[in-house]
Amino acid sequence: DQQVKQNSPSLSVQEGRISILNCDYTNSMFDYFLWYKKYPAEGPTFLISISSIKDKNEDGRFTVFLNKSAKHLSLHIVPSQPGDSAVYFCAASPGSGGSNYKLTFGKGTLLTVNP
Amino acid sequence: SAVISQKPSRDICQRGTSLTIQCQVDSQVTMMFWYRQQPGQSLTLIATANQGSEATYESGFVIDKFPISRPNLTFSTLTVSNMSPEDSSIYLCSVEVSPSTDTQYFGPGTRLTVL
Repeated sequence: DQQVKQNSPSLSVQEGRISILNCDYTNSMFDYFLWYKKYPAEGPTFLISISSIKDKNEDGRFTVFLNKSAKHLSLHIVPSQPGDSAVYFCAASPGSGGSNYKLTFGKGTLLTVNP
Repeated sequence: SAVISQKPSRDICQRGTSLTIQCQVDSQVTMMFWYRQQPGQSLTLIATANQGSEATYESGFVIDKFPISRPNLTFSTLTVSNMSPEDSSIYLCSVEVSPSTDTQYFGPGTRLTVL
């Protein structure tokens, strides 16, 4: 039973356009969410996170939106650049800090940004 | 964040042998973790490496198969014992730098192939 789902295994966008990566979760105990980017032969790199008390968090070209009622979050990349081409993982945890540290990951979405 | 290194970066091993993977962090961290990413799958937490005590294993993972050491706050090892082809995966260590969030930072991973 996958508690964090990324239903699109791949996404292709043109350079300069918006990339939208989606993630759904089923566990209502999750209240901290993260996005990681992974290049081949490298470990995942932390991108951005959001706590359940917010519905939006922005960091430069990256914005994460959280819809708690729908148990859905999305990562927007604007404008997309060829260097953004990577696998993006959504992750969730039941608490912020303390002992609730366990991250549950989705299977990832391969983003390709075409020049 | 933290700078995390892993050794070896990759290895090809024979069935029935064991491999020890090292994880080194450039600063003292409270929490260290070991993950596995099987081909086409998401990252799965194997265990939390506890400094000075036995690791805490997730469901489906046992100490006899994946013994873990953590002698100090900057170093940990994971051993994959009595390997079979099903153990072919990427093994990643991660750390939690700040106790107030669940953001984890990952090492580059060890790609293991078992023949």
